[in-house]
Amino acid sequence: KNEVEQSPQNLTAQEGEFITINCSYSVGISALHWLQQHPGGGIVSLFMLSSGKKKHGRLIATINIQEKHSSLHITASHPRDSAVYICAVEPGTASKLTFGTGTRLQVTL
Amino acid sequence: GAGVSQSPSNKVTEKGKDVELRCDPISGHTALYWYRQSLGQGLEFLIYFQGNSAPDKSGLPSDRFSAERTGGSVSTLTIQRTQQEDSAVYLCASSPQSGLNYEQYFGPGTRLTVT
Repeated sequence: KNEVEQSPQNLTAQEGEFITINCSYSVGISALHWLQQHPGGGIVSLFMLSSGKKKHGRLIATINIQEKHSSLHITASHPRDSAVYICAVEPGTASKLTFGTGTRLQVTL
Repeated sequence: GAGVSQSPSNKVTEKGKDVELRCDPISGHTALYWYRQSLGQGLEFLIYFQGNSAPDKSGLPSDRFSAERTGGSVSTLTIQRTQQEDSAVYLCASSPQSGLNYEQYFGPGTRLTVT
């Protein structure tokens, strides 16, 4: 079993829909990262959080440390949101990231 | 300011040859990470440098892989006697320092193809 599990693996949504991507992990962590990777593109950090909730524009990330679970929400989705979204954790006091397998999101018109 | 840069962007090499991949972190960032993204396998950690501390090499897949970081800035990842399974995108990231509350900034990656 992977230390970081994401669901769903693939997601297709229509423009304007509310999207949720889930991440569960099995190790103690100091922080959790949400990353975005466009096709053929580099990786961009969206959020880093160790508790509670963060919001940036149409993106919201939450984490529940007790349940070892995080969610990434996208409100009013747009085709430009189409990308792979990757959850990654920093275990304990180590800074190196352990990655989930990613969620491939496609938003259609 | 400039982000993390990596060179070359693409590298094709023959099996058995050595390759060097370069990473220029964001100026002033003390932490530097190397990751690998293999087709169909996702991202995995390779090695991590923090300031003058000994690097964390726990993710290197074999002794054919090594990395250096000179002067606390530029880093080189070297793969000796390349094998086809080394084909992947090699990503470098940097952060202001390690630990809590520091995002990692990723470079564009080097796509390595071993023929």
